[in-house]
Amino acid sequence: EDQVTQSPEALRLQEGESSSLNCSYTVSGLRGLFWYRQDPGKGPEFLFTLYSAGEEKEKERLKATLTKKESFLHITAPKPEDSATYLCAVRTSEETSGSRLTFGEGTQLTVNP
Amino acid sequence: ETGVTQSPTHLIKTRGQQVTLRCSSQSGHNTVSWYQQALGQGPQFIFQYYREEENGRGNFPPRFSGLQFPNYSSELNVNALELDDSALYLCASSLDANQPQHFGDGTRLSIL
Repeated sequence: EDQVTQSPEALRLQEGESSSLNCSYTVSGLRGLFWYRQDPGKGPEFLFTLYSAGEEKEKERLKATLTKKESFLHITAPKPEDSATYLCAVRTSEETSGSRLTFGEGTQLTVNP
Repeated sequence: ETGVTQSPTHLIKTRGQQVTLRCSSQSGHNTVSWYQQALGQGPQFIFQYYREEENGRGNFPPRFSGLQFPNYSSELNVNALELDDSALYLCASSLDANQPQHFGDGTRLSIL
């Protein structure tokens, strides 16, 4: 069974204090690892897709990296508007499950001014 | 470009009732997936539709059912509602099964 574990559960940073969020996964046949941002009362907002170990993607203050067992979301010099829950999800190749996403429970990030 | 829209935004039902939630997918997207998100948890996959056919199902009982229409909009139906069905129900659409899924803002369902 596919498993996704995110750590830490919650993270408080001061504005400008860089850090990383972790997503470790156990899957058979990875067909993509996804990062989403979710604000309170909203649906997840797509950030990145990574497909193979060594791949990196960047968007503003965020950079996502992928190894064979985990992914990191690096946040450089965060601002208060980066406060949100960050969700990691994997897509696998099970024939009976379509292209389902299996999510972790998220990391709640708070950036204080 | 219009994103994924869901209706209603909030709904209150009692145990044993039935509910229908609706989703309009993003323009051109032929694949729709439904997820259940309990408070403080990640979304859990319910099922997926591709060109009006169910294309995968998660660990949810048969009282959770769905439809996809020719315009690729979709419905989630839940019968015999239970207290544990209280959650945020999310719809996501994608261009095809290999593209990223884009989510609506969900329907918050409360069961009394």
